[in-house]
Amino acid sequence: GQNIDQPTEMTATEGAIVQINCTYQTSGFNGLFWYQQHAGEAPTFLSYNVLDGLEEKGRFSSFLSRSKGYSYLLLKELQMKDSASYLCAVMDSNYQLIWGAGTKLIIKP
Amino acid sequence: IAGITQAPTSQILAAGRRMTLRCTQDMRHNAMYWYRQDLGLGLRLIHYSNTAGTTGKGEVPDGYSVSRANTDDFPLTLASAVPSQTSVYFCASSLTGTSGSNEQFFGPGTRLTVL
Repeated sequence: GQNIDQPTEMTATEGAIVQINCTYQTSGFNGLFWYQQHAGEAPTFLSYNVLDGLEEKGRFSSFLSRSKGYSYLLLKELQMKDSASYLCAVMDSNYQLIWGAGTKLIIKP
Repeated sequence: IAGITQAPTSQILAAGRRMTLRCTQDMRHNAMYWYRQDLGLGLRLIHYSNTAGTTGKGEVPDGYSVSRANTDDFPLTLASAVPSQTSVYFCASSLTGTSGSNEQFFGPGTRLTVL
């Protein structure tokens, strides 16, 4: 079957760095997405990886290892507004997104 | 309008009633999707459409139907609502449905409660 695993909840301190991991097993692979979702709101796109390596976008970076079925989202210089859920999703061979349950990130002052 | 809109924002519905959730996008995207989001679970695809006039079933299609008469609109209908359909429903769209790099844009969601 298809499976996306990510931690349920993480806590970090304002100004620090946090890494949110995602492992996946899917039928086919056409890329991995990270989305941010604030409570009560819609998911918004953060990053897309299809090749191995690190993609950097401001304070956020995303890494992919296809051979290991593994990705992480790195958030630097954490701000209170980064408190949200972070959703990992893999696009399978049918170009459909398979979603993890999300990681709730709590930022403490 | 800009982006994707959904209506209603929230709804309480008696079991057995018929309900249509509306979704409209103005980005001229070819592909549209309906997801449900339940606590502790990832977003699950209900139905999708890669282009106007075509639709497909996702992971959890039972009890739901869709139509795609034009590019902009993608309504989701619950023919006879049941309590297990209580959820938050998100409509999304992407430029195409057959390319990996196309991000999906989400509407604000509809919170549906079936009693």
